[in-house]
Amino acid sequence: NAGVMQNPRHLVRRRGQEARLRCSPMKGHSHVYWYRQLPEEGLKFMVYLQKENIIDESGMPKERFSAEFPKEGPSILRIQQVVRGDSAAYFCASLDTRDTQYFGPGTRLTVL
Amino acid sequence: QQQVKQSPQSLIVQKGGISIINCAYENTAFDYFPWYQQFPGKGPALLIAIRPDVSEKKEGRFTISFNKSAKQFSLHIMDSQPGDSATYFCAAINKGGSEKLVFGKGTKLTVNP
Repeated sequence: NAGVMQNPRHLVRRRGQEARLRCSPMKGHSHVYWYRQLPEEGLKFMVYLQKENIIDESGMPKERFSAEFPKEGPSILRIQQVVRGDSAAYFCASLDTRDTQYFGPGTRLTVL
Repeated sequence: QQQVKQSPQSLIVQKGGISIINCAYENTAFDYFPWYQQFPGKGPALLIAIRPDVSEKKEGRFTISFNKSAKQFSLHIMDSQPGDSATYFCAAINKGGSEKLVFGKGTKLTVNP
C-alpha cells in the first residue's frame, strides 16, 4: 500500500511566481491536512480538506494561498505571487479510519 | 500564543542512556497526544500516542507519561541508540474539532555511539 505521495519534492520559484504543490493521500483516505514547517520550527496547520470540501482553513494565510481536493486527482496547495517568507517545507497528511494522520515526504519550496 | 510548549530544544545522550523530552499544553479541550519522529528530509512519522485517561503508555523502548492535572506529558526513550537520532515533536489534538495537530517546536536528539 503506497504511502502519502507529494510532488514535487523540491520546488524553486522566483518572487512573484506561482507555486503548486500536489498531494495524493493513501489509498482509501479521503481526508487531507496541509502543514507548513519553517526552518527550526514545528509544523503549523494550514488547512483540512475532504473530497470537494474545505473543512477547516483557519491556518491559511488570508491572501495568496488556496487549497483544493477535487473528486478526482490529488489535493493541490496553491501559492500565488510567492515571497521569500513562503520558503518552507510543506507537508500533507492523510487520515485513516482510526484517526491517525500519515505524513508525506514533503515539498521543500525555495523562493529566490 | 504557543499552545504546546516543548523542551529541551536539543538533547545529546550517550548510547544506552535515557532520553527525556517534555511537553506542556494549555488547551483543556485537547484529548489525544501523539509523538512524531522526523529524520532529515523526511516527513514526520507517528511514534506513539496517548489519551488523557491513561497515565502511561509503553511501546518497546518508548514510553509516554501523562499528567492531566499538570497538563504535561513526556516521552522517555530507554536504551537510546544512534539510530534514534532525529527530531521529535509532541502534538495535541482536539478530537471534537477538526482534529488538526498542534505541534510543539521539536527536540533535536543526538545519540552518541
